[in-house]
Amino acid sequence: SQTIHQWPATLVQPVGSPLSLECTVEGTSNPNLYWYRQAAGRGLQLLFYSVGIGQISSEVPQNLSASRPQDRQFILSSKKLLLSDSGFYLCAWRFGLSSGNTIYFGEGSWLTVV
Amino acid sequence: TQLLEQSPQFLSIQEGENLTVYCNSSSVFSSLQWYRQEPGEGPVLLVTVVTGGEVKKLKRLTFQFGDARKDSSLHITAAQPGDTGLYLCAGPRNTGGFKTIFGAGTRLFVKA
Repeated sequence: SQTIHQWPATLVQPVGSPLSLECTVEGTSNPNLYWYRQAAGRGLQLLFYSVGIGQISSEVPQNLSASRPQDRQFILSSKKLLLSDSGFYLCAWRFGLSSGNTIYFGEGSWLTVV
Repeated sequence: TQLLEQSPQFLSIQEGENLTVYCNSSSVFSSLQWYRQEPGEGPVLLVTVVTGGEVKKLKRLTFQFGDARKDSSLHITAAQPGDTGLYLCAGPRNTGGFKTIFGAGTRLFVKA
């Protein structure tokens, strides 16, 4: 079976500091990978998605970047955090082939920028 | 633009009551998913519906996909405090690719 894990679960960072959130998927090959942000009381906003190693698509202009150095590893980064980067970040994956649309989520990472 | 509209946005009920939440669109979806999310955790998949008119049951939860595949409903019988959470519906974009559309969710609170 497939599993997804992201870390850290909670992070408090000062404005201007760097960020690195990591996500790994096990039990499948060549998954589609996603980073979402969920503001308090609001819906899911797609930030980045990747269909393969080194292939990153950005959905919205922002202070964040993503990388996929390995097939099942997805990293969300920032060089200098802003207060507005605070939120709940979710990594997710989907089968790479068109065998259904179901997305599976990680546990989430709470980021508070102070 | 494909949208999924969920209603109600918020629902607070007593333990033992029944409830239905809705997920509607003007667009046809090839499938729809329902997730439940608890505070501080990632959404957990409850069900995927694929066929128009399909009904799926998961213990006290009944999911229905509309005949035209433009809407779905989730009915909970005899709600329990453990059902509390954010219920999200989602579906694939018709333009293909790898993106999913999410509704804004229904926040359910079941009081003991």
